[in-house]
Amino acid sequence: SQELEQSPQSLIVQEGKNLTINCTSSKTLYGLYWYKQKYGEGLIFLMMLQKGGEEKSHEKITAKLDEKKQQSSLHITASQPSHAGIYLCGADIQEGGSEKLVFGKGMKLTVNP
Amino acid sequence: DTEVTQTPKHLVMGMTNKKSLKCEQHMGHRAMYWYKQKAKKPPELMFVYSYEKLSINESVPSRFSPECPNSSLLNLHLHALQPEDSALYLCASSQYYPLYNEQFFGPGTRLTVL
Repeated sequence: SQELEQSPQSLIVQEGKNLTINCTSSKTLYGLYWYKQKYGEGLIFLMMLQKGGEEKSHEKITAKLDEKKQQSSLHITASQPSHAGIYLCGADIQEGGSEKLVFGKGMKLTVNP
Repeated sequence: DTEVTQTPKHLVMGMTNKKSLKCEQHMGHRAMYWYKQKAKKPPELMFVYSYEKLSINESVPSRFSPECPNSSLLNLHLHALQPEDSALYLCASSQYYPLYNEQFFGPGTRLTVL
């Protein structure tokens, strides 16, 4: 089965610092999603990537999917306390004849003011 | 309206109770989902409805019974739950199923089974 591995597992940064989160798949990614979750709350959709080499940006967050479509990165520029939370990458997979969205274990980000 | 709403926000129930979780979206999405999330774990898919028909049941115990009365509403009926069923239950919707389109999640219902 396809697994998504996220690194690092957690990160503590000082406000204003840049950071990068990685998501690596054991198989080719055909749909890769980034979500953010505050503790005990719903997931907030950030970006979706589908094409090899694709890059998308929204405000201070940039997501990339590598050419081989097995690794994605999420880069935050000039981090702020509002960026704190758990970042989850998700991928569309086919398993047992059906399709579903599966997630990595998440990366907990703390931004200290 | 780009919002998925869920009620109640919190629910405490005994093992003999019957309760229901509700989810609503007005984005015209034709696919709706239930996920279960345990503490410090990622969400796991439970059910998928596409055009108001059940498309996927991820071998969920029968004490969880989903219902999709119309394209905007999704319910999850709970009966005879176990303490290990305590979790955050998330509803999501997307334009269509199968996938390759983003899912939008509700805020979740925090369920505690005593």
